[in-house]
Amino acid sequence: GQNIDQPTEMTATEGAIVQINCTYQTSGFNGLFWYQQHAGEAPTFLSYNVLDGLEEKGRFSSFLSRSKGYSYLLLKELQMKDSASYLCAVFMDSNYQLIWGAGTKLIIKP
Amino acid sequence: DAGVTQSPTHLIKTRGQQVTLRCSPKSGHDTVSWYQQALGQGPQFIFQYYEEEERQRGNFPDRFSGHQYPNYSSELNVNALLLGDSALYLCASRPHRQNLAKNIQYFGAGTRLSVL
Repeated sequence: GQNIDQPTEMTATEGAIVQINCTYQTSGFNGLFWYQQHAGEAPTFLSYNVLDGLEEKGRFSSFLSRSKGYSYLLLKELQMKDSASYLCAVFMDSNYQLIWGAGTKLIIKP
Repeated sequence: DAGVTQSPTHLIKTRGQQVTLRCSPKSGHDTVSWYQQALGQGPQFIFQYYEEEERQRGNFPDRFSGHQYPNYSSELNVNALLLGDSALYLCASRPHRQNLAKNIQYFGAGTRLSVL
């Protein structure tokens, strides 16, 4: 079966840095996506990793280790608007579909 | 440029009823996928439409069916509703010929279905 694990909830302070981890065990792999979802809204694309290493995009960075089945999303200089759920999803090369984790609810405190 | 639009935004039905949800993809997109997202969970893939045909399907019963029109808009139909069908239903679109390395899906805001 397919399995993607993320922490259920994390809390961080405005201006700080937070790392959200994602581990996966899937029968196929063709990349890993991170999406942000504010309550009651659509998921929006943040990042995509297909090769090992770090991808940096402004305040957000994403890391992938395929051999370890592990990724993280790093958010710097946290702002209150970053309070949201962060979803990790594996893109399957067998059927070109996304398998999603349950998401990590990030709470930012002043 | 309008993004992915879904209607209605909220819907309340009773067990046994049937429901139809609608989706208009982002301009230039011809592939539409439907997802079910239960509260506190990640989206679960229902099916994908391209060229008016169902191309891929997740682990959902036949009660869940769909359609895609020539203008690429799509419908999700659910028959014989169960309490467990209560969820947020998301539609996502992308260009079919998009490079797989850029297989980014664009989501609508979803339809919140409550089955009583």
